[in-house]
Amino acid sequence: NAGVTQTPKFQVLKTGQSMTLQCAQDMNHEYMSWYRQDPGMGLRLIHYSVGAGITDQGEVPNGYNVSRSTTEDFPLRLLSAAPSQTSVYFCASSSGTQETQYFGPGTRLLVL
Amino acid sequence: GEDVEQSLFLSVREGDSSVINCTYTDSSSTYLYWYKQEPGAGLQLLTYIFSNMDMKQDQRLTVLLNKKDKHLSLRIADTQTGDSAIYFCALSGGYQKVTFGTGTKLQVIP
Repeated sequence: NAGVTQTPKFQVLKTGQSMTLQCAQDMNHEYMSWYRQDPGMGLRLIHYSVGAGITDQGEVPNGYNVSRSTTEDFPLRLLSAAPSQTSVYFCASSSGTQETQYFGPGTRLLVL
Repeated sequence: GEDVEQSLFLSVREGDSSVINCTYTDSSSTYLYWYKQEPGAGLQLLTYIFSNMDMKQDQRLTVLLNKKDKHLSLRIADTQTGDSAIYFCALSGGYQKVTFGTGTKLQVIP
């Protein structure tokens, strides 16, 4: 099993550009989440999904969209990138609400 | 909302014990976790404790929970250079209610 994979590993965007961060898991997990990690702030939940076709907002959802058309994939879209979205983004999955979350290796995003 | 605080940095000598502390404000969490993040990598679950427990030991790791003081700690015995990483505590009252601490960077001096 590859676990949780994320692409790209690193991306540079200009303000106003759009892009999609990809996340995939091969563990048949129902629950998937996107977090951003900023210095001194730990991880903050952006969006999460409890199954295909079901998504909900986390703590910091503004500026991000998600969809969950399959169990395996949970892409995160930035429609119009802003410098405040410069961060490291982690995708995670788990098999249940109280189960261990497995994290991907992260995507480092720089918005100029 | 939940506030979870950690000291930013800890430095120990190889072979000594490390104690990483975490304080929180909301006592309704069911699970309390410790994650390890190595440079350039995602978070890896080290251990967790249920809120109805006071202590959990797992090889070199000991987790202590003081619910009265809302204090969680992770002790690493015989700290090795491979233990150098950032350690996050996290509290969960449900999937969408996981709150992570700010992280403690552990530096192990050979």
